[in-house]
Amino acid sequence: NAGVTQTPKFQVLKTGQSMTLQCAQDMNHNSMYWYRQDPGMGLRLIYYSASEGTTDKGEVPNGYNVSRLNKREFSLRLESAAPSQTSVYFCASSARTSGINEQFFGPGTRLTVL
Amino acid sequence: AQTVTQSQPEMSVQEAETVTLSCTYDTSESDYYLFWYKQPPSRQMILVIRQEAYKQQNATENRFSVNFQKAAKSFSLKISDSQLGDAAMYFCAYRRGIQGAQKLVFGQGTRLTINP
Repeated sequence: NAGVTQTPKFQVLKTGQSMTLQCAQDMNHNSMYWYRQDPGMGLRLIYYSASEGTTDKGEVPNGYNVSRLNKREFSLRLESAAPSQTSVYFCASSARTSGINEQFFGPGTRLTVL
Repeated sequence: AQTVTQSQPEMSVQEAETVTLSCTYDTSESDYYLFWYKQPPSRQMILVIRQEAYKQQNATENRFSVNFQKAAKSFSLKISDSQLGDAAMYFCAYRRGIQGAQKLVFGQGTRLTINP
């Protein structure tokens, strides 16, 4: 099993450009998440999808949109990139919403907005 | 809102020695979960250990153990017999215990260096 995969690994954008970060998991997990990690800080939740067909805002959703394409895939879109969105983006998944279920993380995407 | 604080931005330890990383959190809830994640230079987030708040017994995973003090809202990580491969950023994280609660709240991280 590959676990959680993310594409691309690196990306450089100019201010105002758009792009979509892709995430897929092969663990048959119900829940998926998008986090961002800024220098010197822990991860902060952008959006999550508790189950296929649902999405909800996290702590820092402004400037982002998400799509839960199917049970495996959860994409994050930046419509008009800003330098403040320069960060490392992590996708994660978990089996269910209850209990001490572990979130499994992808390898991250390093995004730079010039 | 829940917050997680790691007061040690950096720690270092000699190989084979023991080191303790501190974490405190703020919550008004009684049901929750606590985690320690490791992030090596590869950036991959790896779960090290987890603790349910309703369990009084401290969690242990091989060389990793926690000191969970619920009344003090403290959740420290002890690494015994430190190895070079333990060098990484370590993040403490909190999640509410209610059904459907998704959000992991992370601390700022502690960078651990292992001296040979």
